[in-house]
Amino acid sequence: DARVTQTPRHKVTEMGQEVTMRCQPILGHNTVFWYRQTMMQGLELLAYFRNRAPLDDSGMPKDRFSAEMPDATLATLKIQPSEPRDSAVYFCASGLGVREGQISGNTIYFGEGSWLTVV
Amino acid sequence: QKEVEQDPGPLSVPEGAIVSLNCTYSNSAFQYFMWYRQYSRKGPELLMYTYSSGNKEDGRFTAQVDKSSKYISLFIRDSQPSDSATYLCAMRGSGGSNYKLTFGKGTLLTVNP
Repeated sequence: DARVTQTPRHKVTEMGQEVTMRCQPILGHNTVFWYRQTMMQGLELLAYFRNRAPLDDSGMPKDRFSAEMPDATLATLKIQPSEPRDSAVYFCASGLGVREGQISGNTIYFGEGSWLTVV
Repeated sequence: QKEVEQDPGPLSVPEGAIVSLNCTYSNSAFQYFMWYRQYSRKGPELLMYTYSSGNKEDGRFTAQVDKSSKYISLFIRDSQPSDSATYLCAMRGSGGSNYKLTFGKGTLLTVNP
């Protein structure tokens, strides 16, 4: 059963601490997305990778957020230093892009999310 | 004005009812329209997608797109308690690097047995 795996599922941390979230995309998928979901803003795209290269991180606060793909099986999203306003659910999603910017069948698969609370 | 507007609800219906969920949008470049279902404490999962205007049916679900009105709908027939979830509309343009999905905030649906 192929699925996107995210860790940790839940994280409570103090303001100022570093938070690292990890994602294992579905094997063979070459596109990875990081989304953030809040009640106020809904789902927002933070960053997008294709073949491990970052193509768009315009939705991400650059001063404290960073996203990387050290290899094809791991994507990371780091917040340093964390702030209470970062409290949200962070979703990783993966898909198969057959052409630049295209996702096969418009299907991207979401993980179950990392629930972050910064106090 | 946000690019995609969706009534957050909540919407509560009895089992067996027909449910209508809707989104409006302002960006005329949107060509692909999707509906995602999100159960509590889970990630969104793709339910249906359509390209441009028209209808698409899949079992008890029907998606409609009216590009002239910039309005999309999802109908659920014979609704079941297992349909209780948040439904998010999503859309994007076509071609080039139009990978970016713009989501509505979601409508919370409860189907009561």
